[in-house]
Amino acid sequence: DTGVSQDPRHKITKRGQNVTFRCDPISEHNRLYWYRQTLGQGPEFLTYFQNEAQLEKSRLLSDRFSAERPKGSFSTLEIQRTEQGDSAMYLCASSLVREIADTQYFGPGTRLTVL
Amino acid sequence: AQSVTQLDSQVPVFEEAPVELRCNYSSSVSVYLFWYVQYPNQGLQLLLKYLSGSTLVKGINGFEAEFNKSQTSFHLRKPSVHISDTAEYFCAVRNNQGGKLIFGQGTELSVKP
Repeated sequence: DTGVSQDPRHKITKRGQNVTFRCDPISEHNRLYWYRQTLGQGPEFLTYFQNEAQLEKSRLLSDRFSAERPKGSFSTLEIQRTEQGDSAMYLCASSLVREIADTQYFGPGTRLTVL
Repeated sequence: AQSVTQLDSQVPVFEEAPVELRCNYSSSVSVYLFWYVQYPNQGLQLLLKYLSGSTLVKGINGFEAEFNKSQTSFHLRKPSVHISDTAEYFCAVRNNQGGKLIFGQGTELSVKP
């Protein structure tokens, strides 16, 4: 039974660089979510997909952020021109919309440090 | 819009003692309620969820929570905690139209021997 996986687990980058994270959802899950969690806070919603379609984006998702889910399976989250304020844990979750309340199952996260 | 308030940022407790982690929510529509646990440097694991029906919900690891609509609360309880329960606990709400979870700020449970 494979859960949600994320790659890389840790990323250290210099300010101004671009970074890309990958999320592989649980097989056959049709919804995929991205959240950001800063130290001492709860996760904050960024965006979510149902299959290939991006259904909602948070105001937190500035123009420097872009997410894709091209074939309705894995997803990527790219941050361009990183800033120190982007340092956070980026969490991915997936769910099966046929379930009542389609419970979201989370991956281990990618911890980003911007120097 | 929905919001979640976890009333205690830190809860220290001795092993084998009972514990209650408090959660209040605000919403103008019907919601689903969740408790997740996060161990250090890991993702979130679902403890339990309330969808409808019985207001007392049982979850994994001996945890349970009670939904109180009149008080808009969803407090998490365990009658006897273990050292291994030391973790961050998050309450979350989602409306019944689907989509994003709204999380509280988290409660750090610290179980001491």
